[in-house]
Amino acid sequence: EAGVVQSPRYKIIEKKQPVAFWCNPISGHNTLYWYRQNLGQGPELLIRYENEEAVDDSQLPKDRFSAERLKGVDSTLKIQPAELGDSAVYLCASSLDLLRGGELFFGEGSRLTVL
Amino acid sequence: DAKTTQPTSMDCAEGRAANLPCNHSTISGNEYVYWYRQIHSQGPQYIIHGLKNNETNEMASLIITEDRKSSTLILPHATLRDTAVYYCIVRVHNQGGKLIFGQGTELSVKP
Repeated sequence: EAGVVQSPRYKIIEKKQPVAFWCNPISGHNTLYWYRQNLGQGPELLIRYENEEAVDDSQLPKDRFSAERLKGVDSTLKIQPAELGDSAVYLCASSLDLLRGGELFFGEGSRLTVL
Repeated sequence: DAKTTQPTSMDCAEGRAANLPCNHSTISGNEYVYWYRQIHSQGPQYIIHGLKNNETNEMASLIITEDRKSSTLILPHATLRDTAVYYCIVRVHNQGGKLIFGQGTELSVKP
């Protein structure tokens, strides 16, 4: 069974440029998460989707970050324009039924460097 | 904010048991304790989780105290490949079950 797939694995851009990350969750997983992980820190939740609905986006910086999950399957996280402080690893995760004791499965992450 | 407290780092000799402690004194009755680990440059990997009872799987054992205010993850025979950051997480039930990560414990397994 394929795991959570993310692309690109690495991205280097100059500040003020846009960037997008793509995530394909495990088949059948209705919940999708985007986390951001700064160097030396634990992952921080940005947004959580239940199917195609964003049910928790309280930590998403909405002035420059946007996300979508059309058709409730794969998802895209966009930053426009990128700032130096956005350099981090962006992790996507999916789960089937976390509230009933399920687990989160993470992708390998997309490492963003903003110059 | 994370609801757990873990030591910043620990060392363990290869082949010995690694015991990683975690304090979660404000845990609620319906909140699970999850453990994940993250090897350098990889995404977090699920290890184990539990509610009240001790749990064991092929990777580790989870010991939860009777008052549920703390737990210990046990890797019975640590190998060099177990070197990673280990995160103890209390799943927040009233927020859709989301996992809030803390700083974790950096475990170094030494030969």
